[in-house]
Amino acid sequence: AQSVTQPDIHITVSEGASLELRCNYSYGATPYLFWYVQSPGQGLQLLLKYFSGDTLVQGIKGFEAEFKRRHSSFNLRKPSVHWSDAAEYFCAVGAGLGGYNKLIFGAGTRLAVHP
Amino acid sequence: NAGVTQTPKFRVLKTGQSMTLLCAQDMNHEYMYWYRQDPGMGLRLIHYSVGEGTTAKGEVPDGYNVSRLKKQNFLLGLESAAPSQTSVYFCASSYHRGGEQYFGPGTRLTVT
Repeated sequence: AQSVTQPDIHITVSEGASLELRCNYSYGATPYLFWYVQSPGQGLQLLLKYFSGDTLVQGIKGFEAEFKRRHSSFNLRKPSVHWSDAAEYFCAVGAGLGGYNKLIFGAGTRLAVHP
Repeated sequence: NAGVTQTPKFRVLKTGQSMTLLCAQDMNHEYMYWYRQDPGMGLRLIHYSVGEGTTAKGEVPDGYNVSRLKKQNFLLGLESAAPSQTSVYFCASSYHRGGEQYFGPGTRLTVT
């Protein structure tokens, strides 16, 4: 069965420090992978996505993620965190019958940023 | 474009009451989805639709019904609310399968 694991429930970093959020997936075929961000009281906003091609994908707000098939991972990175990055981050894999019309989400990682 | 909108934003129900959540999108998307979000569990798919007049069950469909009579609207119904349905409900839409899903702002539902 398809699944997504985000091992870190909470992460705290200092403003200006680098960030890596981990995501591991289980899926039988080549996955469609996504990272979403949710600010408090808001809906989800897409940060970036991987469908095929270059395994390093760039997203909005200075985020990037690398698809590593051997490790079944799609970790999210940012070289220098800003206070406004404090939010909850969700990794998701696209799955479905004959297509990718359903998203399976991880439980999320809540990021706190210290000034 | 308003994107994806949800009505209402908040609601409190008593056990056994019924209600309908409305999702509307103005992007001409074929696919629409209803998720629930609970602490520590991420988002779980309740039902989805691949086009007007079609619906399908997701991961946690029990206790919910849906309808997609118009392409732009996707309704989620609770016929007899239970405390276990206390959650934040998100609607999303996408242009095609595998495409980016656009999310609404959510509906916070409390069942007492």
